[in-house]
Amino acid sequence: DDQLTQSPSSLSAFVGDRVTITCRASQNIDTYLNWYQQKPGKAPKLLIYAASSLHSGVPSRFSGSGSGTEFALTINTLQPEDFATYYCQQSCRTPITFGQGTRLEIQ
Amino acid sequence: EVQLLESGGGLVQPGESLRLSCAASGFSFRDYAMAWVRQAPGKGLEWVSVIRDSGRTFYATFVEGRFTISRDNSKNTMYLQINSLRAEDTAVYYCVKTAPYGTGWYGKNDLWGQGTLVTVSS
Repeated sequence: DDQLTQSPSSLSAFVGDRVTITCRASQNIDTYLNWYQQKPGKAPKLLIYAASSLHSGVPSRFSGSGSGTEFALTINTLQPEDFATYYCQQSCRTPITFGQGTRLEIQ
Repeated sequence: EVQLLESGGGLVQPGESLRLSCAASGFSFRDYAMAWVRQAPGKGLEWVSVIRDSGRTFYATFVEGRFTISRDNSKNTMYLQINSLRAEDTAVYYCVKTAPYGTGWYGKNDLWGQGTLVTVSS
């Protein structure tokens, strides 16, 4: 199975900050990497697909980068509604796998 | 409205079986692979299974033959049969739609249901 390792597991930031979450794959997954946001008690929402493509309706302060085994999700100018848990997912091959999640907390 | 609606969750005893359903609306269900993702209380997302538009199925390694995914395109509904339930199967089970990109058939999960809670306890 392809393992995805996110870092950090949690981080604290201020409104207005710029933050970056990384996701490392155990094998080359090309750009078959997606990012999701989940708020407590809610279903996850797609943010970024194909490593760097912004899903419809997602604010442009979210961006993704990377290919192969190293990926990153960057959030510019953090807004109060961005404090949530973020997951990466590889869809290069089955079984599909998720990272363990990164909890973004307000400082 | 484009949506997925899960049902069938509840409290069950260890060793029992359960069938979850996912009713889709607002898109051409038969044209998309559909999947299940689960989340244990306080834990991360865990991919469970997918059924392609062709009917071909794939499962997570942990399934060990206890889960069966299926679909009925005439009813726009997907199912997940879970047998020999264990305490560690306790989770919210999400129905998700896939949307391919590039040359990959799975792509992204662009639509999620609200989830149905399965609790396995004696």
